[in-house]
Amino acid sequence: DAGVTQSPTHLIKTRGQHVTLRCSPISGHKSVSWYQQVLGQGPQFIFQYYEKEERGRGNFPDRFSARQFPNYSSELNVNALLLGDSALYLCASSSLLAGANYEQYFGPGTRLTVT
Amino acid sequence: EDQVTQSPEALRLQEGESSSLNCSYTVSGLRGLFWYRQDPGKGPEFLFTLYSAGEEKEKERLKATLTKKESFLHITAPKPEDSATYLCAVLGTDSWGKLQFGAGTQVVVTP
Repeated sequence: DAGVTQSPTHLIKTRGQHVTLRCSPISGHKSVSWYQQVLGQGPQFIFQYYEKEERGRGNFPDRFSARQFPNYSSELNVNALLLGDSALYLCASSSLLAGANYEQYFGPGTRLTVT
Repeated sequence: EDQVTQSPEALRLQEGESSSLNCSYTVSGLRGLFWYRQDPGKGPEFLFTLYSAGEEKEKERLKATLTKKESFLHITAPKPEDSATYLCAVLGTDSWGKLQFGAGTQVVVTP
């Protein structure tokens, strides 16, 4: 079974630019969550989407936005990049069906470097 | 606000030397506590979910336990391939998808 996939694997951008990161969840999963992980820290929650609607938002500026498509894949967009946005961006999928567990399964991540 | 604190920050073990990692948490209501393993530059790999105090889960050399305020990950007779960062996260009852992570414990097992 295919796990969570993310693209691209690595990305180098310049300050002020815009970036789009992509995620495909595990087949049958309808919820996607995005996390930012800075070196040496645990992942920080950015967004959760379920059935194409935003269901949760973390403490991130409005430069961060996301959406979920009818096939449940998702995009994370970051505008006006800052050096501090350099991090590993993780996507996680979960089922959230009634009676299901709340386990989230992570993709390999996208390493974003802002110069 | 949910909080998770993991200790120690780093742990160096000899192969076969058992030890325990601690995860202390505060949450208004607990949906679940999760343990993940993360290798450098990779995404976290799911290990266990614990839902209520007293629950225990095992997988190979790893055993996770849960009380009302903390969880332990016991590593029995570790091997070098158990070297990784172990992350603990909680999901509160006020959220369906926001995992609150600790900073992790970096474990190095030497032959």
